[in-house]
Amino acid sequence: AQTVTQSQPEMSVQEAETVTLSCTYDTSESDYYLFWYKQPPSRQMILVIRQEAYKQQNATENRFSVNFQKAAKSFSLKISDSQLGDAAMYFCAYGDYKLSFGAGTTVTVRA
Amino acid sequence: NAGVTQTPKFQVLKTGQSMTLQCAQDMNHNSMYWYRQDPGMGLRLIYYSASEGTTDKGEVPNGYNVSRLNKREFSLRLESAAPSQTSVYFCASTPKNYYEQYFGPGTRLTVT
Repeated sequence: AQTVTQSQPEMSVQEAETVTLSCTYDTSESDYYLFWYKQPPSRQMILVIRQEAYKQQNATENRFSVNFQKAAKSFSLKISDSQLGDAAMYFCAYGDYKLSFGAGTTVTVRA
Repeated sequence: NAGVTQTPKFQVLKTGQSMTLQCAQDMNHNSMYWYRQDPGMGLRLIYYSASEGTTDKGEVPNGYNVSRLNKREFSLRLESAAPSQTSVYFCASTPKNYYEQYFGPGTRLTVT
């Protein structure tokens, strides 16, 4: 059963602007990991960012940052200063040695 | 260091035919996984192997079998392909005690 929900099938952003992708998950575990993966048209799955649930500090990787709300089981991804190369499908995933993936959000970047 | 490799990249089968998808990793990872990706459904786990010599079912194992041939290789077999198995298949691996998954380039399989 799908335990990860990405409520936005598609998002569009102007180049250089900011876009936020939402993700919620369902778990009774206290220790787990969260990931955002990017899938460009090449089909390759690329890790964007990871977050350990036991860490309160939100992860950041260059222009990508997350807002992790453990009590709300929410894990959103913010892409700042959007670039044309950010256009892709983005998947949220949760778990540990096994991951559950959301259905994905397609991000288009307008020049 | 090639990472995770998959063969073939594309395949077309007729209903009832069999085939094996190959996956290999050269990163000395312990765990390996097979997923299928269908439109609107994200990635769904078919089978996984937590370590050499072990395999376990994932969310959608019906119609598939796997073999963890050694630490490097993890194959997925379709014994009698069905149109419902038309999908993109990904292999992934993770090192021990670390949960980031490294993915292969995928295989697009069409069953007619």
